[in-house]
Amino acid sequence: AQSVTQLGSHVSVSEGALVLLRCNYSSSVPPYLFWYVQYPNQGLQLLLKYTSAATLVKGINGFEAEFKKSETSFHLTKPSAHMSDAAEYFCAVSDRGGNEKLTFGTGTRLTIIP
Amino acid sequence: KAGVTQTPRYLIKTRGQQVTLSCSPISGHRSVSWYQQTPGQGLQFLFEYFSETQRNKGNFPGRFSGRQFSNSRSEMNVSTLELGDSALYLCASSLAGQGAGELFFGEGSRLTVL
Repeated sequence: AQSVTQLGSHVSVSEGALVLLRCNYSSSVPPYLFWYVQYPNQGLQLLLKYTSAATLVKGINGFEAEFKKSETSFHLTKPSAHMSDAAEYFCAVSDRGGNEKLTFGTGTRLTIIP
Repeated sequence: KAGVTQTPRYLIKTRGQQVTLSCSPISGHRSVSWYQQTPGQGLQFLFEYFSETQRNKGNFPGRFSGRQFSNSRSEMNVSTLELGDSALYLCASSLAGQGAGELFFGEGSRLTVL
């Protein structure tokens, strides 16, 4: 069974600083990995996804993530944080069974300090 | 292009009652998934429907059920409500339903059970 672990339920960074949100995965097959973002009182929005093409994946709003098989990691980064980045971020893995079941991590709430 | 629409957005029920939640996917999307989101358990997969067939089901009791209509609209039903069913129920649709993980989420139906 696939699973993801997000390290740090809360992360605070100053505006303009580097954002780093950590995600480690466990999968018996090459995984499909995703980062979703949830703003208050809204649904989730896909930020980026890894589906075994390029290991460095670029997403929306300046975010990117690097798939590292040796470290079983898929950390999310952004060089310079904006106030609008304050939200909850979820890492997820697909079971690749031809269906849309995703297993989500517990989420990381990102706070931006002015 | 209209997004995923969930109704109702908020509802309050009492223990023992039942509830039906509705989801209209993005036009052309044939896969509809449902997730339960709670502070304690996070995001948990309920079930997925594709072309009116349930393709996958999460680890929830039989009180949770769903269906999909020929126009891809979906409903989920929870019978004999318990306090622990209080949650945000999220619906997501996808175009091909092939496990690529690009899910489009609605804003959710927030259920409170008293």
